[in-house]
Amino acid sequence: AQSVSQHNHHVILSEAASLELGCNYSYGGTVNLFWYVQYPGQHLQLLLKYFSGDPLVKGIKGFEAEFIKSKFSFNLRKPSVQWSDTAEYFCAVCSGGYNKLIFGAGTRLAVHP
Amino acid sequence: SAVISQKPSRDICQRGTSLTIQCQVDSQVTMMFWYRQQPGQSLTLIATANQGSEATYESGFVIDKFPISRPNLTFSTLTVSNMSPEDSSIYLCSVGLGQATDTQYFGPGTRLTVL
Repeated sequence: AQSVSQHNHHVILSEAASLELGCNYSYGGTVNLFWYVQYPGQHLQLLLKYFSGDPLVKGIKGFEAEFIKSKFSFNLRKPSVQWSDTAEYFCAVCSGGYNKLIFGAGTRLAVHP
Repeated sequence: SAVISQKPSRDICQRGTSLTIQCQVDSQVTMMFWYRQQPGQSLTLIATANQGSEATYESGFVIDKFPISRPNLTFSTLTVSNMSPEDSSIYLCSVGLGQATDTQYFGPGTRLTVL
């Protein structure tokens, strides 16, 4: 069965620290990859997505993610986090030909000023 | 993107009762979905709401427990039937604007507590 693993459940950083959140998926075929973010009290929002082409994709608010096919990974990065990045981050995969989004367990990020 | 609203935003219900959640989109969309997010857990797809036909349910979810309607391309309802405390969750509606594997946009969710 397809699955998505997010290795870090809770991450605590100070402002200006660099961020990398891990995401690995299990599916051998074509996939579309997503990172969603849920800020406190707000609904789920799309942060960035990868469908094809350049494996390094840039999203909103300075986030980027790199698709490494050989590692089945799609890690999220930001060089310098801000307090406003405090949120829960979800990695999700949609396999080719299907409309089912499979989510990882989520990572709660807390950024301290 | 699309603007998605859900009603109610939250509710507290008694065991054995049913609750119908509405999802309204500001434009016609090809695909609508219902997800559940149990406390402390990730999102799980319940079903795909098909316009004009029966919903497609994922493993572990059945129509008798979660009947879904989709009368048109902008509206869908999810009913949580014969509720128990285990049904306490956030229920989210999402829409897909393009192909099956395209981006999904999520509504604000309905927070359900069953006593």
